[in-house]
Amino acid sequence: AQTVTQSQPEMSVQEAETVTLSCTYDTSENNYYLFWYKQPPSRQMILVIRQEAYKQQNATENRFSVNFQKAAKSFSLKISDSQLGDTAMYFCAFMKGAQKLVFGQGTRLTINP
Amino acid sequence: NAGVTQTPKFQVLKTGQSMTLQCAQDMNHNSMYWYRQDPGMGLRLIYYSASEGTTDKGEVPNGYNVSRLNKREFSLRLESAAPSQTSVYFCASSENFVNTYGYTFGSGTRLTVV
Repeated sequence: AQTVTQSQPEMSVQEAETVTLSCTYDTSENNYYLFWYKQPPSRQMILVIRQEAYKQQNATENRFSVNFQKAAKSFSLKISDSQLGDTAMYFCAFMKGAQKLVFGQGTRLTINP
Repeated sequence: NAGVTQTPKFQVLKTGQSMTLQCAQDMNHNSMYWYRQDPGMGLRLIYYSASEGTTDKGEVPNGYNVSRLNKREFSLRLESAAPSQTSVYFCASSENFVNTYGYTFGSGTRLTVV
C-alpha cells in the first residue's frame, strides 16, 4: 500500500517570505499522480497543484510550485511571496490510476503579518 | 454551481445514538467517497462507491455503513455512535474511479460524540 508522510506538523513564516512544505511517499509504481490540497479555516479542501510522475518538469501554479524528485520519492511544495490568505492546513496526496487518493498527515501553515 | 453538498455541517450525538450524514453532487460524477479527518492522521478513507450500485470498504470502515442512493447521493450512517467517531467527515466525488485529477470535496461535517 502507498504511504504519504509529511514530517512538519506545523510551520510559521512572515508575510512575503518563501516557505517550503515537505512530503515523501512510498510506492513501487512508476506511473502515479501527486497533489497538494489546501484546507483553510473554512474546512473546504482546495486543489492547489497536481504533478504527473512521468513528467520531469515540475508543476507550477502562480506562486505555488513543486520540487518533484522521483528517485528520492519526494514532493515538496514551495509558496513564494506568501500571503495571509495562505494560512491553512496543507495536505500532500498520492494516487495511482484506479487506486484511491491517499493523504499525508498534513502541515499547518501560519503566515504572520 | 454547488459541487458537493454535505449536510449537516455540525452535529453532536450522545454515545449509542445513530445518524446519517448526507452527501449529494451535481457534477454527474460516477464515483463518490467518504473520508474522516483526525488531527495528525490526515484524511482516511471510510467507504467508497466506484459507480452507482456498488460500494466498497476503505481503510477505516468499522462502525459505519453507506448507501449509494442514486448517482447523485451517497450517505454515511453511524448505527451506534462512539466517542472514537468524533471527527470531521468529508464526502468527495470524481468523474470516474479511474481518474488522475483528484477529487472534488464537500465542506465537511464536524461530528462530536459525547
